[in-house]
Amino acid sequence: QLQLQESGPRRVKPSETLSLTCTVSGGSISSRDYYWGWIRQPPGKGLQWIGRIYYSGSTYYNPSLKSRVTMSVDTSRNQFSLKLSSVTAADTAVYSCARLLPEGLWDRIDSWGQGTLVTVSS
Amino acid sequence: SSELTQDPAVSVALGQTVRITCQGDSLRSYYASWYQQKSGQAPVLVIYGKNNRPSGIPDRFSGSRSGNTASLTITGAQAEDEADYHCNSRDSTGNHLLFGGGTKLTVL
Repeated sequence: QLQLQESGPRRVKPSETLSLTCTVSGGSISSRDYYWGWIRQPPGKGLQWIGRIYYSGSTYYNPSLKSRVTMSVDTSRNQFSLKLSSVTAADTAVYSCARLLPEGLWDRIDSWGQGTLVTVSS
Repeated sequence: SSELTQDPAVSVALGQTVRITCQGDSLRSYYASWYQQKSGQAPVLVIYGKNNRPSGIPDRFSGSRSGNTASLTITGAQAEDEADYHCNSRDSTGNHLLFGGGTKLTVL
């Protein structure tokens, strides 16, 4: 069974860079069928799509975050990562990694990590 | 369009039918997926595409689309269906994903 696990600092200072890694187990990140994505949820608010990455390294970022987001993939470690620069308190959220299956006119997010709360605070 | 709109909260009596909606221009071109999220837990996919249920999801959950509105219907709501429900689809470019703001379902 596929499992995804987020790891990284739980607290980041304003203006610094948030860095998270998602480790995938029970399946290969190099599968050609799937994208790998990051989603966040500020406390008490809805889900926000951050972006997705393919095993080859191709990326699609949320246009509203694009200037601050970088994603990368390490197929040898079965991991993918998120960097979000110049963070502010508005970036405080539960950050989750997920597996995305595009299927023509829709997408399935069929597996999620448990999520990790990252707080931006000095 | 870059938005999907959901009602913040909906309630339903136990055993009755409830429809949760998601509106957005991109839904005229793309189908929505729906996720159930219980407190403190990761979201779970309940409906995707035209009207597909992943293995293990009860058949009281169904999905539909009309114009710019996607709907999730729960026929015979159970107490365990009380949760937040999030819709998700692509934006009008087809390259980026969108989420609605989520609907909190209360089963009375």
